[in-house]
Amino acid sequence: NAGVTQTPKFQVLKTGQSMTLQCAQDMNHNSMYWYRQDPGMGLRLIYYSASEGTTDKGEVPNGYNVSRLNKREFSLRLESAAPSQTSVYFCASPQQGATEAFFGQGTRLTVV
Amino acid sequence: GENVEQHPSTLSVQEGDSAVIKCTYSDSASNYFPWYKQELGKGPQLIIDIRSNVGEKKDQRIAVTLNKTAKHFSLHITETQPEDSAVYFCAAQSGGYQKVTFGTGTKLQVIP
Repeated sequence: NAGVTQTPKFQVLKTGQSMTLQCAQDMNHNSMYWYRQDPGMGLRLIYYSASEGTTDKGEVPNGYNVSRLNKREFSLRLESAAPSQTSVYFCASPQQGATEAFFGQGTRLTVV
Repeated sequence: GENVEQHPSTLSVQEGDSAVIKCTYSDSASNYFPWYKQELGKGPQLIIDIRSNVGEKKDQRIAVTLNKTAKHFSLHITETQPEDSAVYFCAAQSGGYQKVTFGTGTKLQVIP
């Protein structure tokens, strides 16, 4: 039982390049979330998916797109990476009833 | 929206001493307050939580207190051990999980 799995763990991009961060959960949860973590700023919600087939913007959605491919998978896409998107990205999946959230190990992204 | 402030940003204690991390929140509708521990290179993991109808909760060496009137809550770790060294995040939630707001984190170092 892996919980929440993110790939890749590390990535370096040049400004303007695109990439997709992958997230999969094996807990049969309905909802999945993408956060970014920056020093001194805690975790900020980028996008979330309350259920398969739905996605909604969070606090900082600009420059990102998401796809809820199926119940297990929720991907985050950067179409044209910018240095301001250098961050650590976490995927999370809350329990039913919206209490404990299970986090992936994170993707450390550097945009140069 | 909700605003969660967390102090201190860094905390060093001697092994065996106690550690206290404090958070304040602004939205009186917040009713669930989880605490997450993030070890180096890993995603956050829930360690304890408290609901607004409870004033205190304990789990072995960890306790959380909540003062709804003053809108603040605290994490207390007693008899600290080196493995307690990590970054700790508080959070406040009102409604669904998309309404979770995280604090900015406290880096705890336990010195052997």
